[in-house]
Amino acid sequence: AQTVTQSQPEMSVQEAETVTLSCTYDTSENNYYLFWYKQPPSRQMILVIRQEAYKQQNATENRFSVNFQKAAKSFSLKISDSQLGDTAMYFCAFMNQNQGGKLIFGQGTELSVKP
Amino acid sequence: DVKVTQSSRYLVKRTGEKVFLECVQDMDHENMFWYRQDPGLGLRLIYFSYDVKMKEKGDIPEGYSVSREKKERFSLILESASTNQTSMYLCASSLSSGRASEQFFGPGTRLTVL
Repeated sequence: AQTVTQSQPEMSVQEAETVTLSCTYDTSENNYYLFWYKQPPSRQMILVIRQEAYKQQNATENRFSVNFQKAAKSFSLKISDSQLGDTAMYFCAFMNQNQGGKLIFGQGTELSVKP
Repeated sequence: DVKVTQSSRYLVKRTGEKVFLECVQDMDHENMFWYRQDPGLGLRLIYFSYDVKMKEKGDIPEGYSVSREKKERFSLILESASTNQTSMYLCASSLSSGRASEQFFGPGTRLTVL
């Protein structure tokens, strides 16, 4: 069975600085996808960034980028130039290509951006 | 924009009551999901459905059932609510299971069982 682990329950960063959230996963599959979702306080969960396992190039979306290390089964999220609106719970998630779109989530990291 | 709505933001029920949580999506998505979110545990999949009248158990189906009579609507049913079902319940939908489709989430229902 696949598992996803986020070992940092809480993190904080100063506005405009860079922060990295860690995520590791365990799978014996070769074809899968990885995601970072963001859940702002009292607001709906939204997708931040997605990575296909077959792609070697790390995904980037504006200030958000990932460091995907397939051999190490590591998938960290880097947020550059942190903004107050980045304050949220962040979830790492795994999807096996052959399991009907099911997501397996990590425990979450609560990120606080301080002014 | 995709919109996923849930019938209630907050709900308080008593032990033993039958509870219905409703979820509606407006983008003709094939897949729908029910998760519960608990601190320190992340989101755990209860049930999902990839078509009308189709359902599959997720990781924690015990104590729950689901219904999908129409494509846009996916209901979660607690047959006899218990205090350990106090949690945040999130519904999500996605376009297709054939590719890495983004899941779109509803606002959540915070259920308290007394």
